[in-house]
Amino acid sequence: DQQVKQNSPSLSVQEGRISILNCDYTNSMFDYFLWYKKYPAEGPTFLISISSIKDKNEDGRFTVFLNKSAKHLSLHIVPSQPGDSAVYFCAASDVSGGGADGLTFGKGTHLIIQP
Amino acid sequence: DTGVSQDPRHKITKRGQNVTFRCDPISEHNRLYWYRQTLGQGPEFLTYFQNEAQLEKSRLLSDRFSAERPKGSFSTLEIQRTEQGDSAMYLCASSLPGQGYAGELFFGEGSRLTVL
Repeated sequence: DQQVKQNSPSLSVQEGRISILNCDYTNSMFDYFLWYKKYPAEGPTFLISISSIKDKNEDGRFTVFLNKSAKHLSLHIVPSQPGDSAVYFCAASDVSGGGADGLTFGKGTHLIIQP
Repeated sequence: DTGVSQDPRHKITKRGQNVTFRCDPISEHNRLYWYRQTLGQGPEFLTYFQNEAQLEKSRLLSDRFSAERPKGSFSTLEIQRTEQGDSAMYLCASSLPGQGYAGELFFGEGSRLTVL
């Protein structure tokens, strides 16, 4: 069973517009959420994170929003740039429970920025 | 380059053979993780070390898999009697104390295993 779900396998956005990537989770024990970015033939790289005590975290062009009641988070990228084309993974962990299972990742969303 | 390095980058083997992957984490990182990623899936947690101690193992880690981190530095992941279902990208990651589960993991480029 997928505890972290990214229901859009791919997303195409025009350069300069906003990219919104969505993620849903089912495990209410998750209390820390992260986004990773992955280029082909490279390992995932950390992008941004948010604790469950917050509902928003911003870092430059990247903002993550968390809606705990809906068990939903989203990553906003604005403005989108060609270098943002990559696969984005949503990940979650149960930090207060010791994080015994490491990070749980979604299947990823392939973001394509159109010129 | 002071990132996480993995070797080999790609391994092709015949079913039933043993394979070993090596991971060198970032030098000051005492936490080391192994993940597996198959096509169309996200990385799946396999196991985790803090220094030389293997603290967690996933149910995905069958008895054909063994991981070591003998001196708390580099780690090896061995797969015995490989099966075609073992074909995947094996990712290593490391982190600093206090991070890891909550924070940033630094991933290597991965070792891709193809079992024929």
